[in-house]
Amino acid sequence: GAGVSQSPSNKVTEKGKDVELRCDPISGHTALYWYRQSLGQGLEFLIYFQGNSAPDKSGLPSDRFSAERTGGSVSTLTIQRTQQEDSAVYLCASSLPSQVGQFFGPGTRLTVL
Amino acid sequence: AQSVSQHNHHVILSEAASLELGCNYSYGGTVNLFWYVQYPGQHLQLLLKYFSGDPLVKGIKGFEAEFIKSKFSFNLRKPSVQWSDTAEYFCAVEASGSARQLTFGSGTQLTVLP
Repeated sequence: GAGVSQSPSNKVTEKGKDVELRCDPISGHTALYWYRQSLGQGLEFLIYFQGNSAPDKSGLPSDRFSAERTGGSVSTLTIQRTQQEDSAVYLCASSLPSQVGQFFGPGTRLTVL
Repeated sequence: AQSVSQHNHHVILSEAASLELGCNYSYGGTVNLFWYVQYPGQHLQLLLKYFSGDPLVKGIKGFEAEFIKSKFSFNLRKPSVQWSDTAEYFCAVEASGSARQLTFGSGTQLTVLP
């Protein structure tokens, strides 16, 4: 597609449930990033995938968070046993490895009740 | 690790006023610098970037930014703002050559009054 797409756009879940958030990067972009945007913490890096290399997971806030990228394209961010503090907008971005600057998707707004 | 400071949390201007948003970063190595903009209800868009060469960079919609290495600053400017510039502006830094994650500032909400 023309840009980064994310689904769902909104997700409301109950505390303790698991959620999966999906990201489709721009076609041909081998680098993919997940960020979280919340009122208290601003924009925070979560995880970075580059091609077939091991992902950089240094930004994941806890072991309840995980992500995978299948076939070097689509990525899924999974949050297990959601907590209220997980409520945020989860943003995905992609880029080419030689490119400076990332292209962001519209985000998934997660609300944990 | 790098950090980014945006000192102005909310700026209110009238149309045609000049704009300067401050951004300072902390990192000992070479960096790439960015300004992103988020219009109401829209996703983050790249406004401009600096990675090498002329420290004065021009972006979309008449915005420009100047990288001053000695001051660790990358301030955003526009000589005459429009109502349509109302948005949140984020400064970001990426350490060159390493993992490519962006570190963002806390953002500046710009409101332009018609």
